Amino acid sequence: EAGVTQSPTHLIKTRGQQATLRCSPISGHTSVYWYQQALGLGLQFLLWYDEGEERNRGNFPPRFSGRQFPNYSSELNVNALELEDSALYLCASSFRAGVVGFFGPGTRLTVL
Amino acid sequence: EDQVTQSPEALRLQEGESSSLNCSYTVSGLRGLFWYRQDPGKGPEFLFTLYSAGEEKEKERLKATLTKKESFLHITAPKPEDSATYLCAVVPLTDLNSGGSNYKLTFGKGTLLTVNP
Repeated sequence: EAGVTQSPTHLIKTRGQQATLRCSPISGHTSVYWYQQALGLGLQFLLWYDEGEERNRGNFPPRFSGRQFPNYSSELNVNALELEDSALYLCASSFRAGVVGFFGPGTRLTVL
Repeated sequence: EDQVTQSPEALRLQEGESSSLNCSYTVSGLRGLFWYRQDPGKGPEFLFTLYSAGEEKEKERLKATLTKKESFLHITAPKPEDSATYLCAVVPLTDLNSGGSNYKLTFGKGTLLTVNP
């Protein structure tokens, strides 16, 4: 069974640009979670989508947004990129009735 | 606010030297506590979920235990391949909007374990 997949693996952008990151959950999982892991800060919760709707949001500005598609895959958009947005962005998925999050390999975003 | 504190920040062991990692937490009510292993540049790999005080789970050289305030990850006779960052996370009971059992994880900053041969 395929795990959570994310694309691209690496993404290099410059300040002010927009970045789009993609996540495909494990088959049958309806919930997708996005986390940011910046150097020295640990994993910070960004967004949670379930059944196509945003269910919860972490302490991040509105320029971090996303959506979940009918096939439960998800997209994270970061507008007006800033240097401090450089981080590993991780996606996790779970069953609706389960709590465990299985993580993808992450997308390394570098903002120059 | 939910808080998770892991100690030590870094731990260096010799191969075969057993030790424990600590995760202390503050939540209004605990739905579950999770342990993950993370290798550099990769996503966290799920290890264990613990739900109630007194619960224990084992996997190979790892054993996780839970009390009302903290969890321990015991590593018995570690090998160099156990070197990684070990992350602890909690899910609180306070998320009333989910309508189900899916909640966000609050993570500690992790313990970087290095096992020397």
